[in-house]
Amino acid sequence: GAVVSQHPSWVICKSGTSVKIECRSLDFQATTMFWYRQFPKQSLMLMATSNEGSKATYEQGVEKDKFLINHASLTLSTLTVTSAHPEDSSFYICSARDKGTGKYEQYFGPGTRLTVT
Amino acid sequence: DQQVKQNSPSLSVQEGRISILNCDYTNSMFDYFLWYKKYPAEGPTFLISISSIKDKNEDGRFTVFLNKSAKHLSLHIVPSQPGDSAVYFCAASPYNAGNNRKLIWGLGTSLAVNP
Repeated sequence: GAVVSQHPSWVICKSGTSVKIECRSLDFQATTMFWYRQFPKQSLMLMATSNEGSKATYEQGVEKDKFLINHASLTLSTLTVTSAHPEDSSFYICSARDKGTGKYEQYFGPGTRLTVT
Repeated sequence: DQQVKQNSPSLSVQEGRISILNCDYTNSMFDYFLWYKKYPAEGPTFLISISSIKDKNEDGRFTVFLNKSAKHLSLHIVPSQPGDSAVYFCAASPYNAGNNRKLIWGLGTSLAVNP
């Protein structure tokens, strides 16, 4: 149980284009989904927290107009990197909390490797 | 300001022996602690958690100990297996975080279990 998928697993795009990453909870409903970014040999950096049907809460220093988050249902959240630049190249990971258990554990997707050329 | 600290960036252990990964925290509002395991280019996998009302939680080969007075927790893996080789992250959640309960992460400890 508690499986989270991400799509795509890797993507290469040209500078200036936009990329959408999907995060789905496959066998549970997620009250809250989180988006992280990980740079090489560094810890996870929380970018934003999203709740179904409401606006995402962004962490300090994260541009909300650049990283658009939509949480349209209890099983799907999307992150769109708009007007991507090479410095946006990173490993993006989503996680979700299970609405049914009420526990604080987050279950993570496998991540998406974004390379902007 | 690192609120969750994993002071050992790496640890090497012989197969079959005990692995002890340590984590210290500074925020007294943390009331829930979690350990995750992560392989390169994959998302973290939840291992075990502990609430601040407990001092020990055990799940198979994994045991987490919490010392609230010292603001210290540790993850014990017994016996260690080569497949345990990964980066282990300690994370904590403050009780004043609201319903979203975001996690504060340590920088990770890379564990190598040698055959």
